[in-house]
Amino acid sequence: GQQVMQIPQYQHVQEGEDFTTYCNSSTTLSNIQWYKQRPGGHPVFLIQLVKSGEVKKQKRLTFQFGEAKKNSSLHITATQTTDVGTYFCAGRGNEKLTFGTGTRLTIIP
Amino acid sequence: GAGVSQTPSNKVTEKGKYVELRCDPISGHTALYWYRQSLGQGPEFLIYFQGTGAADDSGLPNDRFFAVRPEGSVSTLKIQRTERGDSAVYLCASSLIVAGGLNEQFFGPGTRLTVL
Repeated sequence: GQQVMQIPQYQHVQEGEDFTTYCNSSTTLSNIQWYKQRPGGHPVFLIQLVKSGEVKKQKRLTFQFGEAKKNSSLHITATQTTDVGTYFCAGRGNEKLTFGTGTRLTIIP
Repeated sequence: GAGVSQTPSNKVTEKGKYVELRCDPISGHTALYWYRQSLGQGPEFLIYFQGTGAADDSGLPNDRFFAVRPEGSVSTLKIQRTERGDSAVYLCASSLIVAGGLNEQFFGPGTRLTVL
């Protein structure tokens, strides 16, 4: 079955540093979504990428979808304490989402 | 309500007991999903409903797990003969299905199930 892996599993950064998480799927995806889960909370949708090579930006967040539609990345510029949480990618095959293993981001003030 | 709601928020049961977990999706959302999330892991897909029917139940781990959505709105996840390994947070999500469009999933707060 489809597998979605993310690296790194954990990332500790100083406030103001950049952060990147990488997502890799074992199969080609129709689209990919990114979610953020705060400690003790539930996943909250951030964005969906559909096209090969697509790049989308949301303020300090930049999302990329690979040319082969098997990988994706999320980059946060100049992290803030509000960025703390676990970031999940989720690859779509049909209507089913397969979530990645997540990258847990902690910020050192 | 405005969002997806789940009840109970916490459920503690003993090994071998039967439990039911309820999900109230966002009104008008035709798609409903159940996930299971263990500590430090991503949500694991269990089952997906489109309307009243289970469109994909390939994630249900075994026949002790069953879910229904009889009127195409509220869904109940049922677990028989619970085992300690069933302990996890059970998340429900709903979405509109738009062919070729954005299918954002809205998650509920989850039910934390603890099997003693």
